[in-house]
Amino acid sequence: AQKITQTQPGMFVQEKEAVTLDCTYDTSDPSYGLFWYKQPSSGEMIFLIYQGSYDQQNATEGRYSLNFQKARKSANLVISASQLGDSAMYFCAMSGGDGGSQGNLIFGKGTKLSVKP
Amino acid sequence: AAGVIQSPRHLIKEKRETATLKCYPIPRHDTVYWYQQGPGQDPQFLISFYEKMQSDKGSIPDRFSAQQFSDYHSELNMSSLELGDSALYFCASSVQGANYEQYFGPGTRLTVT
Repeated sequence: AQKITQTQPGMFVQEKEAVTLDCTYDTSDPSYGLFWYKQPSSGEMIFLIYQGSYDQQNATEGRYSLNFQKARKSANLVISASQLGDSAMYFCAMSGGDGGSQGNLIFGKGTKLSVKP
Repeated sequence: AAGVIQSPRHLIKEKRETATLKCYPIPRHDTVYWYQQGPGQDPQFLISFYEKMQSDKGSIPDRFSAQQFSDYHSELNMSSLELGDSALYFCASSVQGANYEQYFGPGTRLTVT
C-alpha cells in the first residue's frame, strides 16, 4: 500500500530564508507521481509542484523546488526566500501511475509552516 | 484561468438530513475526484469519475453516493448525516492520463449539528 510520511508537524522560518519540508513515501509501484499542495487558513488547496517517478530532473516552479531522491524515497519541498504569505499547512501527496489512470491522491499529515518577520 | 467550482461553499445541516454538493471541473477536464478533510486532518479520497463512470472508490460511506453528468459536473449526495460528517469536501479535476494537473476546488464546508 502507498504511504506518505511527513515527520515535521510544525516548522518556523525567518522571512527571506530558505526552508525544506520533508516528505518520504512508500510504494511498490514503479510508476507514481508526487505532489505538494499549500493550504492556507482559508482552506483552499493550492497546487505547488509535481514530480513524476521517471522524471530525471528535479521539478521547479518559481520559488518552489522538489528535491527528489528516488533511492531514499524522499520528495522534499524547498521554498526559497520565504515570504509571510507562505505561512500555511503544506501537504505532500502521491498518486499511483505517473500521469496514468490512478489519479486519486494519498496525503501525508501535513507540515504547518510559520514564517517570522 | 478557469478553476474548479464548488457549490455551495458553506452548508449547515442537522443530523439525519441529506445534503448535495456540486462540482464543476475545469473546462476540458474529464476526471473528477472527491475528497473529505476532517478538522485537523489530511484529505481522504472518497470517489472518482472518468467519462461519467466511477473509476475508483476510496473510503466513501455507504450513505454517500456520487455521479458525474454528461457535462462532466459531479454531485456528491450524502444522506442520514452524522456529526462526524462535518468536514471540508473538496472536488478536484484533471485530464485522464495527465493527473499531474490535478487542481482542487475551494471546497464545501459542511457542518452537521
